[in-house]
Amino acid sequence: AQSVAQPEDQVNVAEGNPLTVKCTYSVSGNPYLFWYVQYPNRGLQFLLKYITGDNLVKGSYGFEAEFNKSQTSFHLKKPSALVSDSALYFCAVRDWDDYKLSFGAGTTVTVRA
Amino acid sequence: DAGVIQSPRHEVTEMGQEVTLRCKPISGHNSLFWYRQTMMRGLELLIYFNNNVPIDDSGMPEDRFSAKMPNASFSTLKIQPSEPRDSAVYFCASSPRGQYGYTFGSGTRLTVV
Repeated sequence: AQSVAQPEDQVNVAEGNPLTVKCTYSVSGNPYLFWYVQYPNRGLQFLLKYITGDNLVKGSYGFEAEFNKSQTSFHLKKPSALVSDSALYFCAVRDWDDYKLSFGAGTTVTVRA
Repeated sequence: DAGVIQSPRHEVTEMGQEVTLRCKPISGHNSLFWYRQTMMRGLELLIYFNNNVPIDDSGMPEDRFSAKMPNASFSTLKIQPSEPRDSAVYFCASSPRGQYGYTFGSGTRLTVV
């Protein structure tokens, strides 16, 4: 079985400060990990993924995520947050031999000016 | 590419009526997924098609829900009869063969009154 935990329902940061959204996962095999962002009244948009290789993955809009196998984590980061980054963020995991993506409950990010 | 196209964007219907949601996946994508998003349960996978064949419908909540994919470019999700607890945002997503992530449509916001 595979699962994802996003321990924080909400993250609030000031514009210009670093942003971190936490994610831990559980899979039986090798994980494929993803971050998606959802703006109000929109579908989920792909930000970045980890399949294999370098543990630090860079994605869209200046976001990056670090895969940590020992801690089974895949935290999303941005060095300097923008007000426009305010949205709902989902972490997702897929076992290497499975078609199904399992999503976390989501973390609402609010960046204040 | 126009992306995954869903229609209608919004649907308001009375309890007991039949509702049909439509999805056009990205051309060349061979996997299609229907998800439901609610505040209480987050993102739930309802059904998964591969090459137009339903592979896993274990997430379909009950017999009132049915889904079809008559060809590679079209899928429907039908609820008959609809109930107020079916109110949610329904997303369709597609994925190409050998790839790892999904592309989501903009969703259909269903309200059953």
